[in-house]
Amino acid sequence: KNQVEQSPQSLIILEGKNCTLQCNYTVSPFSNLRWYKQDTGRGPVSLTIMTFSENTKSNGRYTATLDADTKQSSLHITASQLSDSASYICVVRETGANNLFFGTGTRLTVIP
Amino acid sequence: GAGVSQSPSNKVTEKGKDVELRCDPISGHTALYWYRQSLGQGLEFLIYFQGNSAPDKSGLPSDRFSAERTGGSVSTLTIQRTQQEDSAVYLCASSSGGQPAEKLFFGSGTQLSVL
Repeated sequence: KNQVEQSPQSLIILEGKNCTLQCNYTVSPFSNLRWYKQDTGRGPVSLTIMTFSENTKSNGRYTATLDADTKQSSLHITASQLSDSASYICVVRETGANNLFFGTGTRLTVIP
Repeated sequence: GAGVSQSPSNKVTEKGKDVELRCDPISGHTALYWYRQSLGQGLEFLIYFQGNSAPDKSGLPSDRFSAERTGGSVSTLTIQRTQQEDSAVYLCASSSGGQPAEKLFFGSGTQLSVL
């Protein structure tokens, strides 16, 4: 069973609209959670990291939240742009140097 | 270099042939990872190198897969006797290594197609 589940699997929104992507995990003990953006044909690029003590963190138009009690994270994108079209991958690190668990991603398409 | 470099970017091979995929990590990064990404699937861990430690090979799907990292820098992933199910994007990532909050830097991947 995948220890990181993302929803929705895919999403289409109009340019300028907001959206929220979800990530639920069962990884324990929890170290941190990263959101990556993967453009088509490219490798993933880190957007933000959430540690146990952090509830919310913003990076430009991206805002990530973390509820460590319910083991849920979200990535909110405001005022979407065409360049936001990509896959967004949630990655949870278990304590241990190479214990990373990847979600299958949400494929976001922003249309004009 | 400025980023993680992978080559070739695309590789088409016949079933049964061997292939070698190359990864050139960011200079100074001690940790190097190989992942496989199949269409519509998440990243699948293959192997992890950290400095001079023995690599973590727990993700390699079969003994047809092997990887080495020479001189603590460039890594080569070798797939012997390729099968059609090996078709995927093979991603390499590197990081400064050893820190829980470390960020992985990914290459653009090698798209492998086995005919």
